[in-house]
Amino acid sequence: AQSVAQPEDQVNVAEGNPLTVKCTYSVSGNPYLFWYVQYPNRGLQFLLKYITGDNLVKGSYGFEAEFNKSQTSFHLKKPSALVSDSALYFCAVSLYYGNNRLAFGKGNQVVVIP
Amino acid sequence: GAVVSQHPSWVICKSGTSVKIECRSLDFQATTMFWYRQFPKQSLMLMATSNEGSKATYEQGVEKDKFLINHASLTLSTLTVTSAHPEDSSFYICSAIPGTSRRETQYFGPGTRLLVL
Repeated sequence: AQSVAQPEDQVNVAEGNPLTVKCTYSVSGNPYLFWYVQYPNRGLQFLLKYITGDNLVKGSYGFEAEFNKSQTSFHLKKPSALVSDSALYFCAVSLYYGNNRLAFGKGNQVVVIP
Repeated sequence: GAVVSQHPSWVICKSGTSVKIECRSLDFQATTMFWYRQFPKQSLMLMATSNEGSKATYEQGVEKDKFLINHASLTLSTLTVTSAHPEDSSFYICSAIPGTSRRETQYFGPGTRLLVL
């Protein structure tokens, strides 16, 4: 079955430090991978996606993610975290079968400490 | 671009009543929309796929008679929670995609908070 795993429940990082949110995937065929962010009581905002091409994908708000096929990972990164980056982050994979449906990870709460 | 709206943003209703939630793609046409349910501090649970001009496809365990979905136009899908009960209280989020490819990005609405008393 196709799925994504976000192993950590919460990521704490000091403001100005690098931020990494981990995601690993398990899919049949080529993975189409997405990162979304959710602020309290809001819907999800699209950050970036990997379809093909360069393994390093740049997205919104200074975020980037690196696709690593050998490690089946798609970690989200930001060189210097801001307090406003505190939110819930979801990794998702587009299911190979199933009408564009996405399988979401459980989410990671990111807390950026001033 | 790629904005999805939901209405209402929150609703409180009495047990036994029905509630309709609207999902609109504002600047693109969406043949496919999705409805999710989210419990506090949990991931999104896909409830159903809404297809314009045809019946919705429900995920296993989701009652189609309980959660009625209508996708009458390329920019509007509605979710009606029929005979709502307190256990239906949740955060409902819709999403829409501008095309049919698996590469397409899903764009999410801001969500609707439902509280059934």
